[in-house]
Amino acid sequence: KQEVTQIPAALSVPEGENLVLNCSFTDSAIYNLQWFRQDPGKGLTSLLLIQSSQREQTSGRLNASLDKSSGRSTLYIAASQPGDSATYLCAVGGNQGGKLIFGQGTELSVKP
Amino acid sequence: DVKVTQSSRYLVKRTGEKVFLECVQDMDHENMFWYRQDPGLGLRLIYFSYDVKMKEKGDIPEGYSVSREKKERFSLILESASTNQTSMYLCASSRAGYTEAFFGQGTRLTVV
Repeated sequence: KQEVTQIPAALSVPEGENLVLNCSFTDSAIYNLQWFRQDPGKGLTSLLLIQSSQREQTSGRLNASLDKSSGRSTLYIAASQPGDSATYLCAVGGNQGGKLIFGQGTELSVKP
Repeated sequence: DVKVTQSSRYLVKRTGEKVFLECVQDMDHENMFWYRQDPGLGLRLIYFSYDVKMKEKGDIPEGYSVSREKKERFSLILESASTNQTSMYLCASSRAGYTEAFFGQGTRLTVV
């Protein structure tokens, strides 16, 4: 059974710092991996989708990488801002098209 | 932009009531999903649907049913609400296959 882990559970950094969020999964037979952002009490906002054949995806200050063989993905946030404060979730898509299995999330706080 | 709209942001219902949570998407997506999110447990899949009138159980379907009479609308039904169904409910949609998922704003349901 696929399990997705995100470490650390919480992270606090000063504004302007570059940071990396980690996501690991136990079964490398995935079809895609998606990173989301969730603000308190709100729904999920899609940040980046990486297909299994891809190594990375970039959007603005965000860069996500995928290493299927080691069961890892990272989300790199450059020049962090207080507005980046939120919970970041990763989710993997397996062989049941469209279904996602989520990690518990990393709660990020960027201090001014 | 893809829009997934859930009918209510906040809902308070009494134990034993029949509760309907509605979700509508405007991008002609084939896949639709219902998740619930609880502290410490993360997001768990309740039901999903790959097409109109089709439904499949997720990881925690007990106490719930769904309806998909039209492609754009996916309803979650709590047949007899119980206090342990107090949770944040999140609807999502995606195109067929292994594609990007988009989420609604969430419904915070409290059963008293």
